[in-house]
Amino acid sequence: DVKVTQSSRYLVKRTGEKVFLECVQDMDHENMFWYRQDPGLGLRLIYFSYDVKMKEKGDIPEGYSVSREKKERFSLILESASTNQTSMYLCASSLLGGSGANVLTFGAGSRLTVL
Amino acid sequence: EDQVTQSPEALRLQEGESSSLNCSYTVSGLRGLFWYRQDPGKGPEFLFTLYSAGEEKEKERLKATLTKKESFLHITAPKPEDSATYLCAVQAEGTYKYIFGTGTRLKVLA
Repeated sequence: DVKVTQSSRYLVKRTGEKVFLECVQDMDHENMFWYRQDPGLGLRLIYFSYDVKMKEKGDIPEGYSVSREKKERFSLILESASTNQTSMYLCASSLLGGSGANVLTFGAGSRLTVL
Repeated sequence: EDQVTQSPEALRLQEGESSSLNCSYTVSGLRGLFWYRQDPGKGPEFLFTLYSAGEEKEKERLKATLTKKESFLHITAPKPEDSATYLCAVQAEGTYKYIFGTGTRLKVLA
């Protein structure tokens, strides 16, 4: 089974701090995603990467950046955390291409609280 | 605009009381529709992928069906351990994006 591992399950940070959320997948998936999940809003895509060093903005990229230096690792960076970035952050990965839709496999999530 | 709407938002069932969750979608060419289960504080867990109208898939007490406009997740004789939020998502042709609904919170009472 594909495993997507998020390094931190719970984080508490202060406003203005720089925050790194790390995600590693072990099944050679090309695509990696960062979502945030908020009650009533569902999952919203922050950034997507389909290859090393490649990234594309999702629906809500403001205040975030990403890094993908190795195929298996996709990092989400909050340059200066704000209280409205308090949320559950979910990393996911999938295969690229193929004839059908590819299953997204999620990590366990990182609950970030910004004070 | 591609869109996914799930109903109801929340559902309480007695153990053994069968019911269905709905996922209505609007997408310009469906590549696939997904169902996930999410337990509190955890990441979504994959259940099913459906690709074309008329397709059905089953797993234990769950059965997913697909039409051109909606999908149903039927839960037969649910147990308390089926309590979770069930998420529906679609992927449109020619895109990497997955559009998620806001989920149905299911509570099964013993």
